[in-house]
Amino acid sequence: AQSVTQPDIHITVSEGASLELRCNYSYGATPYLFWYVQSPGQGLQLLLKYFSGDTLVQGIKGFEAEFKRSQSSFNLRKPSVHWSDAAEYFCAVGLNQAGTALIFGKGTTLSVSS
Amino acid sequence: DTGVSQDPRHKITKRGQNVTFRCDPISEHNRLYWYRQTLGQGPEFLTYFQNEAQLEKSRLLSDRFSAERPKGSFSTLEIQRTEQGDSAMYLCASSPDTQNYGYTFGSGTRLTVV
Repeated sequence: AQSVTQPDIHITVSEGASLELRCNYSYGATPYLFWYVQSPGQGLQLLLKYFSGDTLVQGIKGFEAEFKRSQSSFNLRKPSVHWSDAAEYFCAVGLNQAGTALIFGKGTTLSVSS
Repeated sequence: DTGVSQDPRHKITKRGQNVTFRCDPISEHNRLYWYRQTLGQGPEFLTYFQNEAQLEKSRLLSDRFSAERPKGSFSTLEIQRTEQGDSAMYLCASSPDTQNYGYTFGSGTRLTVV
């Protein structure tokens, strides 16, 4: 069955340090890949997405992610974390061109220390 | 454009009662989705509407759950005979036809069944 794994439940990063959040997926073909961020009491906001083409994608708020087919991974990175980045981050996979259901990972909670 | 609106934000109900949630999508979005998010989990797909037609339903959507989107505008999600396991955040999202996976999420309705 298709699945998305986010191995890290909780990560703490110092403000100004770099960040990498891991995401692995299980799917036979190349899926549509997404990263969302959710702040407490809020809905999900799309950070970036990968459909095809360049495997390094840029998103909002200074985030980027790299699709690595050989590793079935789509890790999220940011060179310098700000305190406002503290939130929960979800990796998600879309399985069809119709653009309907997404499969989400369990999420990684990011804490930022000063 | 006020985004995707969900009402109520919070609902506490006694086990066995019926509850209904409402979602108002972005006005020009033809597609509407319902997801459920339990504590410590990522959102799980429940159902999807294209205008007024309900085109996909997850196996998570038991017989106690029903969703409607009359006239292809707002949608309602009803849970009958609520159980404690129904306690979750219910998220609504909408997207335009022209943009696969172009989701905009609402802030959700948090249901607590006591």
